[in-house]
Amino acid sequence: DARVTQTPRHKVTEMGQEVTMRCQPILGHNTVFWYRQTMMQGLELLAYFRNRAPLDDSGMPKDRFSAEMPDATLATLKIQPSEPRDSAVYFCASGLSPDRRDTEAFFGQGTRLTVV
Amino acid sequence: DAKTTQPPSMDCAEGRAANLPCNHSTISGNEYVYWYRQIHSQGPQYIIHGLKNNETNEMASLIITEDRKSSTLILPHATLRDTAVYYCIVRARLGGDKLIFGTGTRLQVFP
Repeated sequence: DARVTQTPRHKVTEMGQEVTMRCQPILGHNTVFWYRQTMMQGLELLAYFRNRAPLDDSGMPKDRFSAEMPDATLATLKIQPSEPRDSAVYFCASGLSPDRRDTEAFFGQGTRLTVV
Repeated sequence: DAKTTQPPSMDCAEGRAANLPCNHSTISGNEYVYWYRQIHSQGPQYIIHGLKNNETNEMASLIITEDRKSSTLILPHATLRDTAVYYCIVRARLGGDKLIFGTGTRLQVFP
């Protein structure tokens, strides 16, 4: 049963600490998305990658957020330093490039981050 | 910027068809209509997508008007487990294929 795996599922940290969220995309998928969801802003696209290269990270605060794909099986989203306003659920999704027939994105269960 | 307009909420009786409308009057020729839903506390789930023809799968049917400016997602026999937020998204097929979520429609299925 192929699925997107996100770790950790829950994270509570103190303001100023570094936070790293990880995502394992579905094997064979070449597109990875990072989203943030809050009650106020809904689902916001932070960044997305194709074949491990960043295509668009305009939704990500550059001063404290960074996203990388060290290899095809791992995507990371880091926040340093974290702030209380970063508290949200962070979703990762993976899919295939749009020239394929099946282009739907599959989402992980999310990482619920609380910064105190 | 979300390119779609959906009603904020809808109700549906269990066992009846749920018809969720979406307006996308500025859709361009190379953009598809995608539908996702998000059940409480879970990640969004793909439902269906289409370009101009009506589509059907095991989950739902998608009806797209001839001018492509609006569409309707149909859940033929809604169950309590279909209670969720439903998102209608327009998405370019080639390049620029970001999934941009709007505010969606909160569908409440009642017994």
